[in-house]
Amino acid sequence: AQSVTQLGSHVSVSEGALVLLRCNYSSSVPPYLFWYVQYPNQGLQLLLKYTSAATLVKGINGFEAEFKKSETSFHLTKPSAHMSDAAEYFCAVTKGNQGGKLIFGQGTELSVKP
Amino acid sequence: NAGVTQTPKFQVLKTGQSMTLQCAQDMNHNSMYWYRQDPGMGLRLIYYSASEGTTDKGEVPNGYNVSRLNKREFSLRLESAAPSQTSVYFCASGGVDQPQHFGDGTRLSIL
Repeated sequence: AQSVTQLGSHVSVSEGALVLLRCNYSSSVPPYLFWYVQYPNQGLQLLLKYTSAATLVKGINGFEAEFKKSETSFHLTKPSAHMSDAAEYFCAVTKGNQGGKLIFGQGTELSVKP
Repeated sequence: NAGVTQTPKFQVLKTGQSMTLQCAQDMNHNSMYWYRQDPGMGLRLIYYSASEGTTDKGEVPNGYNVSRLNKREFSLRLESAAPSQTSVYFCASGGVDQPQHFGDGTRLSIL
């Protein structure tokens, strides 16, 4: 069965600092992996997706993630945090086509200090 | 460009009452999904519809029913609401080579 684990339910960084949000997955078949962002009282917005092409995936708002099969990881990074990055971030996995059922991690809330 | 539209946005029910959450998408997606979001648990799939005319159970289907009315609309019904169903409900749609797009959610409280 597929599963997703996000390490750290809360992460706090200073404005301008590196953002690193961790995601590990388990899957018996090559997965498709996603990061979504949720701002307060809103739905989820797709940040980026991995679909077995390039292992380094660039997304919106300066975020990127690297697929590492040997570590079963798909960590999300951004070189320099901005106050507007404060939100909850979800890692998700599915198999097969991109319209398939998503399995979500528990979420990581990112706080950005001035 | 509306995307995925959910109604209502907020609702308060008493235990035992019934209600239907509505969802419509205008992206011509084949697949539609209902999730619930609870603190510390991420989003969990309740039901999904891979195409018009089909529905299947997800991870947490108990206490819910769904109807895929047509390609655009996918409703979620609570027949007899229970306090454990207090949650934020999200509808999503997706298709081949298209990641899922989410609505803004329905915040449901059951007293």
